[in-house]
Amino acid sequence: DTAVSQTPKYLVTQMGNDKSIKCEQNLGHDTMYWYKQDSKKFLKIMFSYNNKELIINETVPNRFSPKSPDKAHLNLHINSLELGDSAVYFCASSQRGLAFFGQGTRLTVV
Amino acid sequence: GDSVTQMEGPVTLSEEAFLTINCTYTATGYPSLFWYVQYPGEGLQLLLKATKADDKGSNKGFEATYRKETTSFHLEKGSVQVSDSAVYFCALSRSNDYKLSFGAGTTVTVRA
Repeated sequence: DTAVSQTPKYLVTQMGNDKSIKCEQNLGHDTMYWYKQDSKKFLKIMFSYNNKELIINETVPNRFSPKSPDKAHLNLHINSLELGDSAVYFCASSQRGLAFFGQGTRLTVV
Repeated sequence: GDSVTQMEGPVTLSEEAFLTINCTYTATGYPSLFWYVQYPGEGLQLLLKATKADDKGSNKGFEATYRKETTSFHLEKGSVQVSDSAVYFCALSRSNDYKLSFGAGTTVTVRA
């Protein structure tokens, strides 16, 4: 059983489109995150949710909107995609600081 | 705010060489410290952790000791293998915080 699963694994889309990435965890964790990893492997936290409530929003453009319908899910919707949004996006969940990551979604905006 | 600084890569080694990746941190209180590893094409996975000063985390031949006096958590392995080629991330979290702060990552390549 995959602990943190995100879909899709690859996403190629044109500039200006709107897309969503889904994430689910079956670990019973209270906290979930979205991270963006650039081409140099640098990881930047985007959002953190705890029990469905937004806790951290790290100066991410308004075009990015997370949604947590329940504790096990944290989806990421991106409007009006730009070339600079191309990256690998990782979902993660954690309990007491110990994090489990999904496999990542490689987003390519053309 | 909290921050983690780790040595820049990339690091290239021969098999059976000694590996060390330096990591220092800035944080208030007593954070927990972690090393995560990212193999090519995969997500991050926990390699080892330490939750208090002088704790030593170890896994798969890797070790790191939580040194509060030097605010460091250096990763070491005595004899690396080709399969250790990956990106290694140092990270910290505080018990009352929902943020896991990562270092910039160090790419390690081990050649046969």
